[in-house]
Amino acid sequence: QKEVEQDPGPLSVPEGAIVSLNCTYSNSAFQYFMWYRQYSRKGPELLMYTYSSGNKEDGRFTAQVDKSSKYISLFIRDSQPSDSATYLCAMSANTGNQFYFGTGTSLTVIP
Amino acid sequence: ETGVTQSPTHLIKTRGQQVTLRCSSQSGHNTVSWYQQALGQGPQFIFQYYREEENGRGNFPPRFSGLQFPNYSSELNVNALELDDSALYLCASSFIGGGGETQYFGPGTRLLVL
Repeated sequence: QKEVEQDPGPLSVPEGAIVSLNCTYSNSAFQYFMWYRQYSRKGPELLMYTYSSGNKEDGRFTAQVDKSSKYISLFIRDSQPSDSATYLCAMSANTGNQFYFGTGTSLTVIP
Repeated sequence: ETGVTQSPTHLIKTRGQQVTLRCSSQSGHNTVSWYQQALGQGPQFIFQYYREEENGRGNFPPRFSGLQFPNYSSELNVNALELDDSALYLCASSFIGGGGETQYFGPGTRLLVL
């Protein structure tokens, strides 16, 4: 079983839609949860960083962590064509430790 | 832009050759991690360097080795290249010691092994 599971998609939505991206994990030691956005042929760009359970909001992006269910989500409101990218979830047990990534979900927002 | 730079951007090698990839970390960061990202996959942790010492290693063979220099820049060396080593190699810098650390990625080096 992989440490982190993420549906690869692809996911295609119309502009303005609410997008929900999810990951599940098996290691209960994970405490730090990140979402990265990766455009084609580029390095991952940090979007959201959350410690432990709870919600975090930044503009159109909301990250949720449910440690009891080992489930994390990223919501994108009012999606834009510029949001078209691959979204990677990542998590780690300790600060400075290795990150475990999902396979990424490919998102296309259609104008 | 994260301030993390990598060189070269692209590289083509043949099987059995050796390659060195370079990374300059973001200003103020003291830790560099290297990841391998195969096409259609998430990044896989290779190893991390902190204070010029290896500080954790993923499931990669010893022919993957690295260095960190006093200015916190880093090298990834891969010996005896195999076809499966073709991938995007990502460097990520972070700061251990301040709490709440996360990793910021460079643009990557795309390696093709023929």
